[in-house]
Amino acid sequence: DTAVSQTPKYLVTQMGNDKSIKCEQNLGHDTMYWYKQDSKKFLKIMFSYNNKELIINETVPNRFSPKSPDKAHLNLHINSLELGDSAVYFCASSQVRPSGRVDEQYFGPGTRLTVT
Amino acid sequence: GQQLNQSPQSMFIQEGEDVSMNCTSSSIFNTWLWYKQDPGEGPVLLIALYKAGELTSNGRLTAQFGITRKDSFLNISASIPSDVGIYFCAGQGTGNQFYFGTGTSLTVIP
Repeated sequence: DTAVSQTPKYLVTQMGNDKSIKCEQNLGHDTMYWYKQDSKKFLKIMFSYNNKELIINETVPNRFSPKSPDKAHLNLHINSLELGDSAVYFCASSQVRPSGRVDEQYFGPGTRLTVT
Repeated sequence: GQQLNQSPQSMFIQEGEDVSMNCTSSSIFNTWLWYKQDPGEGPVLLIALYKAGELTSNGRLTAQFGITRKDSFLNISASIPSDVGIYFCAGQGTGNQFYFGTGTSLTVIP
């Protein structure tokens, strides 16, 4: 009964390849996020989707494309992988109340991507 | 993107000691969250704060939402070895986005 799950947990691939990371949440939340955590542990938001609609798109190379088939899923597809893409990618979800307040974010376990 | 200043960057303490860390921002936030991240895991929510001046406890953890709405504090009392990890603050303004602090790495020496 994991709240936010991600697959795969580890991903090792070569430069130039295309790969996808999947995320699912069973909390009934309407907002999902992708974060990148670098080697210095800094967490930086990449994308946010609310009810399947993109609402936050930070300065991220357009090789990264999120897709939300439904409210419970947010996948991340990365084209033409580069060495600098190596990092841990976290999915998270939260609920936006009618008042506009955003409830707590819950994180997935992370996907460690290594590009060689 | 905005980055919150978190201090100290790292702490080495003896088991049983109390710990304090804080987070400051140049912007006003409506929500402050505190997370703990264990190695190889995702951040786990510890405490959420929604009102300026709010003081909330979760076991040995106590966090406060600063009156100015630009800062927050986390205290851990009587630290134990399993408190080891990286602690992150996160602030949310008017949008759906959370901005994260730079993290405080805590080491507890038995």
